[in-house]
Amino acid sequence: AQKITQTQPGMFVQEKEAVTLDCTYDTSDQSYGLFWYKQPSSGEMIFLIYQGSYDEQNATEGRYSLNFQKARKSANLVISASQLGDSAMYFCAMRETYNTDKLIFGTGTRLQVFP
Amino acid sequence: DAGVIQSPRHEVTEMGQEVTLRCKPISGHDYLFWYRQTMMRGLELLIYFNNNVPIDDSGMPEDRFSAKMPNASFSTLKIQPSEPRDSAVYFCASSLQGPETQYFGPGTRLLVL
Repeated sequence: AQKITQTQPGMFVQEKEAVTLDCTYDTSDQSYGLFWYKQPSSGEMIFLIYQGSYDEQNATEGRYSLNFQKARKSANLVISASQLGDSAMYFCAMRETYNTDKLIFGTGTRLQVFP
Repeated sequence: DAGVIQSPRHEVTEMGQEVTLRCKPISGHDYLFWYRQTMMRGLELLIYFNNNVPIDDSGMPEDRFSAKMPNASFSTLKIQPSEPRDSAVYFCASSLQGPETQYFGPGTRLLVL
């Protein structure tokens, strides 16, 4: 069965620095997709970025990029030029199986950006 | 667009009472997802609909939980009878095509005493 692992319960980064949030996954599917979501203290879940397993290029969305290493089964989120507003919980997720729309989520990483 | 709308935002009830959570998806979205978030279990999918039809309800904890989507603009998640372990934040999300770009509502924070 699919599994998502986020080993960093908490991370600290100084404003304007880059930070990498780790995510590893386990799947036997050849086709799969990986997602990152942000959850600020207000509670809502915000979609950040998506990477398909067959995408040749790493996904990027503004200051967010996904460092996708297929052989290592890792899909780390890189946030460049951190801002105070980036302080939040970050969740990595993937489809439970290739033919379902059901996502499974990691336990999350709490990022704290300090001035 | 107003985004996904959930009501109520907060609910406090006593054990044994019926609880109904409501969701209005973004207009035109074909998919609707119900999630539950707790400290112990994290974020987990309860059920999702495609074109108002329930597709996967394997995440629904037990028979006390039921979800309906009578039309494209409304869904309910009902718990009857409620128990303290149902205390959680319940999210509704909608999307055009699967989970790739789903938009979450603000959540309903449920406390069962």
